[in-house]
Amino acid sequence: RKEVEQDPGPFNVPEGATVAFNCTYSNSASQSFFWYRQDCRKEPKLLMSVYSSGNEDGRFTAQLNRASQYISLLIRDSKLSDSATYLCVVALGGPSAGSYQLTFGKGTKLSVIP
Amino acid sequence: NAGVTQTPKFQVLKTGQSMTLQCAQDMNHNSMYWYRQDPGMGLRLIYYSASEGTTDKGEVPNGYNVSRLNKREFSLRLESAAPSQTSVYFCASKWTGTWGQYFGPGTRLTVT
Repeated sequence: RKEVEQDPGPFNVPEGATVAFNCTYSNSASQSFFWYRQDCRKEPKLLMSVYSSGNEDGRFTAQLNRASQYISLLIRDSKLSDSATYLCVVALGGPSAGSYQLTFGKGTKLSVIP
Repeated sequence: NAGVTQTPKFQVLKTGQSMTLQCAQDMNHNSMYWYRQDPGMGLRLIYYSASEGTTDKGEVPNGYNVSRLNKREFSLRLESAAPSQTSVYFCASKWTGTWGQYFGPGTRLTVT
């Protein structure tokens, strides 16, 4: 079983639509969770951390369900500039731990269409 | 601040050749990482350095060596390149005690 699984997509949505991505992780000892964004032929960039209580950053909302080992990202009012691949990322170990490592999902591709 | 820089941006090697990929960060980060990204595979950790003077293997270390030259620089060496090492290589860094990693722009390596 893969450690972090995502639907690869592509998700093709019109501008202004709401789109949701899901991700599951296999290691119940995982401690921290993130969504990264990667534009075509560019480096990944941290979009947002994901907290158990859920968190929001503008049009983006992230949720974590530890019992189901499930993470989600909701994008409201999609913009053309949201077109990218979204990577679900899980970390074992706390941020100060020498062994802190990220495990990346393969990503979900989003295309926002005019 | 330049952030995380990587050289070269592109490289073509023949099987058996060696090369070193360079990475430097100017954010005073303690931890540095090397990943490879292949189509359909996602990013995989090759080696990391939690602090200056330490290095550890990640998920796919075979065929690679690393050197944490100082706090700023972390290099990745391919001693005898193989076609299976054709990939995009990303370097990343972060502060101890924070969650997010900052990535460099990547090196696209082709081994023929």
